[in-house]
Amino acid sequence: DADVTQTPRNRITKTGKRIMLECSQTKGHDRMYWYRQDPGLGLRLIYYSFDVKDINKGEISDGYSVSRQAQAKFSLSLESAIPNQTALYFCATSDRQNSNQPQHFGDGTRLSIL
Amino acid sequence: GQNIDQPTEMTATEGAIVQINCTYQTSGFNGLFWYQQHAGEAPTFLSYNVLDGLEEKGRFSSFLSRSKGYSYLLLKELQMKDSASYLCAVRDRQYGGATNKLIFGTGTLLAVQP
Repeated sequence: DADVTQTPRNRITKTGKRIMLECSQTKGHDRMYWYRQDPGLGLRLIYYSFDVKDINKGEISDGYSVSRQAQAKFSLSLESAIPNQTALYFCATSDRQNSNQPQHFGDGTRLSIL
Repeated sequence: GQNIDQPTEMTATEGAIVQINCTYQTSGFNGLFWYQQHAGEAPTFLSYNVLDGLEEKGRFSSFLSRSKGYSYLLLKELQMKDSASYLCAVRDRQYGGATNKLIFGTGTLLAVQP
């Protein structure tokens, strides 16, 4: 089983719809991140969380919100989806105790907004 | 601000050696990561450098010069499965030295030809 699981893997929806992307991890890491990846732009940080009660904006948080329901779960919401939010979304985790260790990524959610 | 530059694309021959360069500008450098990403898949960790010099891991090596803001990833004995994007990511102390937030380059797409 994957250590970092994202659901759904693919989603096609219409402009204006509310969408939630879910991420769960079994690695026991306290830090979780949401990124989006667009061709030619690389990975960009949307939100990150260092603990259950900790939420921080990344470089492109407008139009998104997150919820850290438990240490193992971090969900990303698009309240009213728009076409330029079409992208590949990744969740990642890392361990505070080993700050030199890399972030571990889920398999991604391919989101298309029509 | 932060800036990370990598070549967009490279081509190499199976069995050969290829060097992928990364230059960066950050206000508080605190480590550099290399990731491999196959098309449509999650980035996977390859190497980490925080001190100057060469880190070797089997066919893959990574070099860092902090004074020059420069790193490279060296891939030896290239195999067809090495065809992928290679992402350079820098941790910047501006965001808090122990937070493990990363700034990603746009990636270098490597094509290995027979």
